[in-house]
Amino acid sequence: QQQVKQSPQSLIVQKGGISIINCAYENTAFDYFPWYQQFPGKGPALLIAIRPDVSEKKEGRFTISFNKSAKQFSLHIMDSQPGDSATYFCAASLGSSASKIIFGSGTRLSIRP
Amino acid sequence: DAGVIQSPRHEVTEMGQEVTLRCKPISGHDYLFWYRQTMMRGLELLIYFNNNVPIDDSGMPEDRFSAKMPNASFSTLKIQPSEPRDSAVYFCASSRTDEQYFGPGTRLTVT
Repeated sequence: QQQVKQSPQSLIVQKGGISIINCAYENTAFDYFPWYQQFPGKGPALLIAIRPDVSEKKEGRFTISFNKSAKQFSLHIMDSQPGDSATYFCAASLGSSASKIIFGSGTRLSIRP
Repeated sequence: DAGVIQSPRHEVTEMGQEVTLRCKPISGHDYLFWYRQTMMRGLELLIYFNNNVPIDDSGMPEDRFSAKMPNASFSTLKIQPSEPRDSAVYFCASSRTDEQYFGPGTRLTVT
């Protein structure tokens, strides 16, 4: 029940295309859903996050879509660029403020020029 | 701010040796997390502290692993004795609110 399931494991997208990564969770008590981006040799960094009171959040080319009833959320990267090539982790946590975050297994995204 | 600082960045040691990983969190952050990342198991939370007190150590794999936070600006993760299966990248992260700030990691290789 504490797991966050992420798919696909890897993804190749042409430059300019849309990258879509999906995640699902079981615990309805989760109330914070961040996405982290990790480049090789670096630690993960927060990309964008959403709370379940909204169905969508957009920041530049990055959008989170959230479906509370289906317990699913996804990351959309519009106009994907080679610089977006990285590993993306979805995550979920309980409660407010800093608490234990459950990470998905990660998606390795490659953008072909 | 310099961000989360971890040392060493790389550590190669022989099986059976003691390994100590170090972390300096961002000033003002009251939460500190230790993670382990491997290809097989992904990103795993080992332990986290709030105001220097361990809150949840359920992710610590076994008694060979221990972590301390003697003050707000320093934490250690110790493995004694180390084994080849401990080879991984270990990350420290700190936070004050929802966002966790990760350090650059320590790549540990146990031969």
